[in-house]
Amino acid sequence: EIVLTQSPGTLSLSPGEGATLSCRASQSVSSSSLVWYQQKPGRAPRLLIYGASSRATGIPDRFSGSGSGTDFTLTISRLEPEDFAVYYCQQYGSSRWTFGQGTKVEIK
Amino acid sequence: EVQLVESGGGLVQPGGSLRLSCAASGFTFSSYEMNWVRQAPGKGLEWVSYISSSGNTMYYADSVKGRFTISRDNAKNSLYLQMNSLRAEDTAIYYCARWWSSGWYSSFDYWGQGTLVTVSS
Repeated sequence: EIVLTQSPGTLSLSPGEGATLSCRASQSVSSSSLVWYQQKPGRAPRLLIYGASSRATGIPDRFSGSGSGTDFTLTISRLEPEDFAVYYCQQYGSSRWTFGQGTKVEIK
Repeated sequence: EVQLVESGGGLVQPGGSLRLSCAASGFTFSSYEMNWVRQAPGKGLEWVSYISSSGNTMYYADSVKGRFTISRDNAKNSLYLQMNSLRAEDTAIYYCARWWSSGWYSSFDYWGQGTLVTVSS
């Protein structure tokens, strides 16, 4: 089973700053199956990025995804107050879906 | 508007059973694969089970295999999760999530609000 490891565990930043979140896979992952979600407290996850770099409908262009193989990145160019949340990467393969443990982006 | 509404959660004793339901609307339910994903209190997301659009193919996480059964009724636009032999570690919010696949890209594109299952004596 592919294990996804996200870093850092917590990112403390101020509104307006940029954020870089990492997702590393234990073995190579197809870019087409790498997805990012955002989750706010008490809410269901929301789809942000699919196919490693394609924004989902309605997602602002300050969110971008990149990467290939075992290393993937979610970048938030300028944090807005509503972006403070937990972010999860996820991959699919061999009839298994796995999530990273999440990165919390908190207000500094 | 796509809507997924879970129900059936609650407090159950260890070893007990519970059946979760997910009512779907706003899309052609029979055309989509569906999943259950859970989240233990204060923890991350864990995939639980998958079912194909026709209901003929199911997959399970190792942690629930042999205890949980996923099913669907396309005529009723509903997804189910029968949970037996429940353990304390099954305590979580259970989300139903639609699996969108374009043939190349795929993702959980819509999620329900979740239903809380608490396993405790």
